[in-house]
This record gives sequence, C-alpha cells and structure tokens, in this order.
Amino acid sequence: NAGVMQNPRHLVRRRGQEARLRCSPMKGHSHVYWYRQLPEEGLKFMVYLQKENIIDESGMPKERFSAEFPKEGPSILRIQQVVRGDSAAYFCASSKDREDGYTFGSGTRLTVV
Amino acid sequence: ILNVEQSPQSLHVQEGDSTNFTCSFPSSNFYALHWYRWETAKSPEALFVMTLNGDEKKKGRISATLNTKEGYSYLYIKGSQPEDSATYLCAFGPGTASKLTFGTGTRLQVTL
Repeated sequence: NAGVMQNPRHLVRRRGQEARLRCSPMKGHSHVYWYRQLPEEGLKFMVYLQKENIIDESGMPKERFSAEFPKEGPSILRIQQVVRGDSAAYFCASSKDREDGYTFGSGTRLTVV
Repeated sequence: ILNVEQSPQSLHVQEGDSTNFTCSFPSSNFYALHWYRWETAKSPEALFVMTLNGDEKKKGRISATLNTKEGYSYLYIKGSQPEDSATYLCAFGPGTASKLTFGTGTRLQVTL
C-alpha cells in the first residue's frame, strides 16, 4: 500500500505561470483534503473533496485557486497566475471515512520566483 | 474562526524525562480531536483520534486524554527518547464541518 502520493515534490514557477499539484489518495480512501503551510505558520485548510464533488472549499482563496477530484485519476490543486505569496508547502491528506485519522502525503514545495 | 491553541510552543527535555503538552479547543459543537506527530522532512502521522469526553488512548509510551466539556486534551510521553523528537500537532473537528483545524504544534527535542 503506497500511501498518499503527491507530485511533484518540488515545483518552481515564475510569477504569472500556472502550478498543478497532484495527489493520489491511499487505496480505498475516498476523502481528500488539501492543506497549505506558509513559512513559519501551521497547516491551514484549503479544500475537502470526495470523488467528483467539492464538499468544503471555505479555505480556498476566491481567485486563481481551484481543485478537483475526478472519477478516474488523482486530485489536482491548480493555481493560476501564481504570485510570490503562493510560495508554500501544499499537503494532501486522505481518509477512508470522515471519522478516521488522516494519512498525509509528503507535500509539494512550491516556489514562485 | 476556530481557535486551536497548543502549549508550550517548544520543549527541550533529557532522555528519560516524562513530558506533556496541552491542546485547547472550542468546547461547543465538538466532533473529534486528533493528535499527529510530525518528524522533520516527513509527513504528519496520525497518533490518536478521540471522540468521547473522558477518552484516554495509549500507544506505547504515548498517551492522550480528552475533556470536551472544558475544551482541552493532554498528550503525555513517558520516558522520552531521542526518536520522540518531532512536532506534535492537535487538530479539532467540529460537528457540522468536514475539516480539521490544526494547532501550530509543540516542537519537542529530546537529547541524550
């Protein structure tokens, strides 16, 4: 069981480019969560998805950020027209049920130059 | 905005010492309290999920208690070892929401 797989591990983008972050949940897990860790801060919730549905996106910035979890394939967090303030570590986690502990991926470190 | 506070922010103990940290959270609309351990260069790893007032959970030398009425949880480590060095996160899940709100963690360093 491979655990939660995130790729890429590191991503460098120039200001104005798009960033696509991928997350494959653990086998059998249908709940996916994205969190962001800004420098010197804790984990901040962004979005919660179940297959093909966004359940809670209250932590997502209103513009430039979107997330999906299609029927087939990984969950994608997409950031359009990146700015320096988007530089952070983005963590994906999955769980089998809402009541379970989360299994986290290793994160994607996004650097905007 | 949910406030999940952890104290102390950091802790430095000697091998063999026992230690404990606190997590405080809103006492209303409680659903679950999670504890995670986060080692440097790794991902957070779930330790405990606690749902009932008065819950006590144990995993080896680590244990946790829960008081939902007053809104706090304690994590205890008995006989700390250098491999216990990590950041310990708690996370609060309210009844109607679907996400966990994390505290900023207690960073533990255990030296020989």
